[in-house]
Amino acid sequence: NAGVMQNPRHLVRRRGQEARLRCSPMKGHSHVYWYRQLPEEGLKFMVYLQKENIIDESGMPKERFSAEFPKEGPSILRIQQVVRGDSAAYFCASSLSAEGYEVFGPGTRLTVL
Amino acid sequence: DAKTTQPPSMDCAEGRAANLPCNHSTISGNEYVYWYRQIHSQGPQYIIHGLKNNETNEMASLIITEDRKSSTLILPHATLRDTAVYYCIVRATDSWGKLQFGAGTQVVVTP
Repeated sequence: NAGVMQNPRHLVRRRGQEARLRCSPMKGHSHVYWYRQLPEEGLKFMVYLQKENIIDESGMPKERFSAEFPKEGPSILRIQQVVRGDSAAYFCASSLSAEGYEVFGPGTRLTVL
Repeated sequence: DAKTTQPPSMDCAEGRAANLPCNHSTISGNEYVYWYRQIHSQGPQYIIHGLKNNETNEMASLIITEDRKSSTLILPHATLRDTAVYYCIVRATDSWGKLQFGAGTQVVVTP
């Protein structure tokens, strides 16, 4: 009964490259959430997705960031043209229903050189 | 725009109960109180949540005051592995999917 899986666990990119972060929710969970934790800061909500739909993206930066949760496969958080300020831990969470509590993954640590 | 207030840090002796307070004086009738914790560098872990009744599970107990303006998370027998940042979060039924984490309480359990 695997929990939320995220890969890669660590990702290093140079400025201007693209970063793709993957999240496989817990089995049976159709709601996925992405959070970002900047160094020495708190966790910030980014986006909430349900299969093939973005429900709430109020925490997503307006440019360079996008997220999807296709019918098949993992949820992807994509960051284009990364900058040093994107260096952070990105956590994915999933829940069984909108009212359920979120189960978090171990996170992806993105480092931008 | 924090809806909860927690002490920044607290220490607890191993084996003793840890009582973590949280103030949420502006809580609305449709808002639940959630507790999560984050052990260093790991993903947050759900602990417990409640609306107005006290709740207990295998990890902790949640005591909510009658006026719902504050609550206390109780870890009955703290262990070294309970050292973490504990977050008290208020969430409305119409804002599912968006947890607003504050600064939390850094709990250090000492031998």
